[in-house]
Amino acid sequence: GAGVSQSPSNKVTEKGKDVELRCDPISGHTALYWYRQSLGQGLEFLIYFQGNSAPDKSGLPSDRFSAERTGGSVSTLTIQRTQQEDSAVYLCASSSGQGSTEAFFGQGTRLTVV
Amino acid sequence: DAKTTQPNSMESNEEEPVHLPCNHSTISGTDYIHWYRQLPSQGPEYVIHGLTSNVNNRMASLAIAEDRKSSTLILHRATLRDAAVYYCILRPLGYNTDKLIFGTGTRLQVFP
Repeated sequence: GAGVSQSPSNKVTEKGKDVELRCDPISGHTALYWYRQSLGQGLEFLIYFQGNSAPDKSGLPSDRFSAERTGGSVSTLTIQRTQQEDSAVYLCASSSGQGSTEAFFGQGTRLTVV
Repeated sequence: DAKTTQPNSMESNEEEPVHLPCNHSTISGTDYIHWYRQLPSQGPEYVIHGLTSNVNNRMASLAIAEDRKSSTLILHRATLRDAAVYYCILRPLGYNTDKLIFGTGTRLQVFP
């Protein structure tokens, strides 16, 4: 596709349910990032993939959060037993390389836990 | 992680130049300086990046201090569409450390 695609764009879920958020990066991009942005706040780093492996998952806030990437392409962020404090916009970005290249962001998934 | 410091907010009038500063005193020799901006209700978008030399593109210019401990993003003629939060970020060269960490950024207001 032309850009980073995230789905769904909006998700409302009940507290305690599990949710899966999907990110389709730009074709050929080896690096993929997940961020969380609460209302009026900055971007909080969650996890970084290089290919299918995650050299840095230090930003995942708890063991309820996990992410995987398959085929060096699509990534899924899973939140188990959602809590109200998980409500935020979850952003995905991809990049073709490190340091000297730009990262492209998706429009995000707005998650609301009620 | 190398950190950056930016003013929380700045204001400008339309069609005037804007200079957005960023301090990164702990920058390492292999860190690239990147700038992104986030328009309201959108994901961040890339603006410009550099390593040592000043850089120009269609969106902005990036002036990098000789010691690389600070940089300035220059918008030559601000428009209302430039109102956004601007983030200065350091991207290390190594794959295993490429976190792409965002700070709090500078909220730019542009007045007509």
